Amino acid sequence: ILNVEQSPQSLHVQEGDSTNFTCSFPSSNFYALHWYRWETAKSPEALFVMTLNGDEKKKGRISATLNTKEGYSYLYIKGSQPEDSATYLCAFTMDSSYKLIFGSGTRLLVRP
Amino acid sequence: DAGVTQSPTHLIKTRGQQVTLRCSPKSGHDTVSWYQQALGQGPQFIFQYYEEEERQRGNFPDRFSGHQFPNYSSELNVNALLLGDSALYLCASSWNTGEETQYFGPGTRLLVL
Repeated sequence: ILNVEQSPQSLHVQEGDSTNFTCSFPSSNFYALHWYRWETAKSPEALFVMTLNGDEKKKGRISATLNTKEGYSYLYIKGSQPEDSATYLCAFTMDSSYKLIFGSGTRLLVRP
Repeated sequence: DAGVTQSPTHLIKTRGQQVTLRCSPKSGHDTVSWYQQALGQGPQFIFQYYEEEERQRGNFPDRFSGHQFPNYSSELNVNALLLGDSALYLCASSWNTGEETQYFGPGTRLLVL
């Protein structure tokens, strides 16, 4: 059974706090790791796709790192804002497979 | 440029009925995937269509079937609905490579009574 684990399940922070989440995935047959942000009543929004061990990607105040050997990725948000409140999903794809295998997500609430 | 669109947004059906959900991919995309998201879980892969063929399938029964049209739009059909089929159904489109990002629509919320 291929499991993607995300922690924590939920997080409440104050505006201006920096925060990070973890995504753990099976390291064998790895192909790519995806991060999505999903605001209520909207479509999941793609943040990053990473494929190489040691990859780091950045988009504004959000960044992500990838360790394919040990099977984890971190997502960092610097100086959280209320508009960052959303569920953050990670998903991985295996070699020779097209499907995204998702974790259950981390729900972030940023209080003003 | 319109993103991925899905219809309808909400649907209520009763057990045993059949339902068809529709998806139009992002402009230029040729591959469509369908996911089911039950409450409290991440989306689960149902199947993917490319060149009007089902290319890969997840662990869903044959009651779940699909179709892709020459314009790349897609339908998801579910027969003999069960209460457990109540979920958010998401469509995602992409180009035909494994690495490329899958872009999601807003989903169709199905409630089976």
